[in-house]
Amino acid sequence: EAGVVQSPRYKIIEKKQPVAFWCNPISGHNTLYWYRQNLGQGPELLIRYENEEAVDDSQLPKDRFSAERLKGVDSTLKIQPAELGDSAVYLCASSPGYRDTQYFGPGTRLTVL
Amino acid sequence: KNEVEQSPQNLTAQEGEFITINCSYSVGISALHWLQQHPGGGIVSLFMLSSGKKKHGRLIATINIQEKHSSLHITASHPRDSAVYICAFQSGGGADGLTFGKGTHLIIQP
Repeated sequence: EAGVVQSPRYKIIEKKQPVAFWCNPISGHNTLYWYRQNLGQGPELLIRYENEEAVDDSQLPKDRFSAERLKGVDSTLKIQPAELGDSAVYLCASSPGYRDTQYFGPGTRLTVL
Repeated sequence: KNEVEQSPQNLTAQEGEFITINCSYSVGISALHWLQQHPGGGIVSLFMLSSGKKKHGRLIATINIQEKHSSLHITASHPRDSAVYICAFQSGGGADGLTFGKGTHLIIQP
């Protein structure tokens, strides 16, 4: 069974540029999470989806970050414009339901110059 | 104040040693997770538990809900166990994403 797929794996951009990350969860998983992990820190939740509905986006910086999961399957996380402090690994995870074991993708390492 | 505290932050041990990593949390939780992250690699879920003890191979996880404390043990440690081990909890309230600790960086020397 395929795991959580994320692309790209690495992205280097200049500040003020836009960037987008894509995540395809495990088939059949209704719950999808986006996390951000800064160097030397544990991940922090940005947003959680139940199917196509964003049910917890309280930690998402809405002035520059946006996310969508239009058909309740794959999801896109966008930053526009990117800032130096956005450099981090962006992790996507999915689970069958919101209290089940979460399966993580390999992450996208973003470097903002 | 971090709601999840792990100790130690760094641990170096010899192959074969019994390893214990501790996790304390300060809020009511619905479940506690132990995860493993290799350098440059993704995160793998090891255990999810809400009471008692779970065992998988050489790994054992325990939790004491009353004391808000959990431990991860590795028996007969091996260099391939070298990784960052992260404790995370799911709260009992509405936000059901995980709240993570900073991780314990474990190195097992041959």
